[in-house]
Amino acid sequence: EAQVTQNPRYLITVTGKKLTVTCSQNMNHEYMSWYRQDPGLGLRQIYYSMNVEVTDKGDVPEGYKVSRKEKRNFPLILESPSPNQTSLYFCASSSTPRGTNYGYTFGSGTRLTVV
Amino acid sequence: RKEVEQDPGPFNVPEGATVAFNCTYSNSASQSFFWYRQDCRKEPKLLMSVYSSGNEDGRFTAQLNRASQYISLLIRDSKLSDSATYLCVVNSRNEKLTFGTGTRLTIIP
Repeated sequence: EAQVTQNPRYLITVTGKKLTVTCSQNMNHEYMSWYRQDPGLGLRQIYYSMNVEVTDKGDVPEGYKVSRKEKRNFPLILESPSPNQTSLYFCASSSTPRGTNYGYTFGSGTRLTVV
Repeated sequence: RKEVEQDPGPFNVPEGATVAFNCTYSNSASQSFFWYRQDCRKEPKLLMSVYSSGNEDGRFTAQLNRASQYISLLIRDSKLSDSATYLCVVNSRNEKLTFGTGTRLTIIP
């Protein structure tokens, strides 16, 4: 089954403790992206990757890092999480940035709480 | 001006009714248009692409008006299961997809 797999689904952590949210897709997509979703603000892009070893900042990259060492994986790293990073996070992938006729495929989401 | 704007609602509509909502976009060069559906606390899922000539998928009809830069979604014979948030999505100036903040729809029995 074609899918994007994110882990963990839920995470509660303390301020300053480094964490990684994993994202993996099995569709051989070149384009991958991370979003955060907050009430009233919709989906905002954090980082994206056009291909292996090619990453770039989205609209809200501060406090986040990513890497793309393999085509299928695109982890999101929070080196020193802060409470304002409490949010619902989604990973998405597509064959192109524009989504062709199929749009983006999203992972199930990670609900992160930083206390 | 936001790249993609939607009326947040909520729209509360009786079961069986027809409901329509619009979305406006600012980039006149946009070429890709979608409607996504998002259930509470779940991931967005593609509902349908929107084509220039308009397209229909069962009870759902999507239209594109390039002159006025808006897309619309019409739901006929609404079901309880149609209750969700509907996201308007358009490709932005840098080719990536930009998501609207969504229109919340509740179908009332």
